[in-house]
Amino acid sequence: AQSVAQPEDQVNVAEGNPLTVKCTYSVSGNPYLFWYVQYPNRGLQFLLKYITGDNLVKGSYGFEAEFNKSQTSFHLKKPSALVSDSALYFCAVRDIYNAGNNRKLIWGLGTSLAVNP
Amino acid sequence: EAGVVQSPRYKIIEKKQPVAFWCNPISGHNTLYWYRQNLGQGPELLIRYENEEAVDDSQLPKDRFSAERLKGVDSTLKIQPAELGDSAVYLCASSLDFGQPRGHNEQFFGPGTRLTVL
Repeated sequence: AQSVAQPEDQVNVAEGNPLTVKCTYSVSGNPYLFWYVQYPNRGLQFLLKYITGDNLVKGSYGFEAEFNKSQTSFHLKKPSALVSDSALYFCAVRDIYNAGNNRKLIWGLGTSLAVNP
Repeated sequence: EAGVVQSPRYKIIEKKQPVAFWCNPISGHNTLYWYRQNLGQGPELLIRYENEEAVDDSQLPKDRFSAERLKGVDSTLKIQPAELGDSAVYLCASSLDFGQPRGHNEQFFGPGTRLTVL
């Protein structure tokens, strides 16, 4: 069965420090991996995705994520956090070779990031 | 380019009343999704359309929820009758899915409709 885990409900970092939001996944085949961000009272926005190729993926707002197949992880990172990065972050995974209903995107429960000035 | 449009943004109703949500996806996007999101949780897929066909409605409570996407463009999600537990944000998303394997394109979300059932 497909699943995704975000082990931290909340992450707190100081502005200017590097940030990491963790995500691990479980699929039977190869994954498509996504990160989305949800700012307060706004809809979800796409940040970045891993489909194939380079394990380090760069996305919007200076975020990047590294696909690690051996550790089944796709952690979101940013070298220097901004207060405006404070939001709810969701990791999502899809097994690319499953068809029909199994092709749905599986969402993590979200990690609340708080960047303190 | 216009994003995903949803209306209304907010809706307050009494239990047992009907309610409907409307979504207009990004032009040209063939796949449309309806999600329900409770506070502090991730989105829960209710139904997914590919063009006008509902290809995944396994999580849709069919006794009270219904949806349609008649011409493969905009869509309506209805609840009748609403229950207290239906209070949530209802999100619509769209994507352009093509090729094999599919599902590699990101989803674009609307702002959501916040439903409060009293």
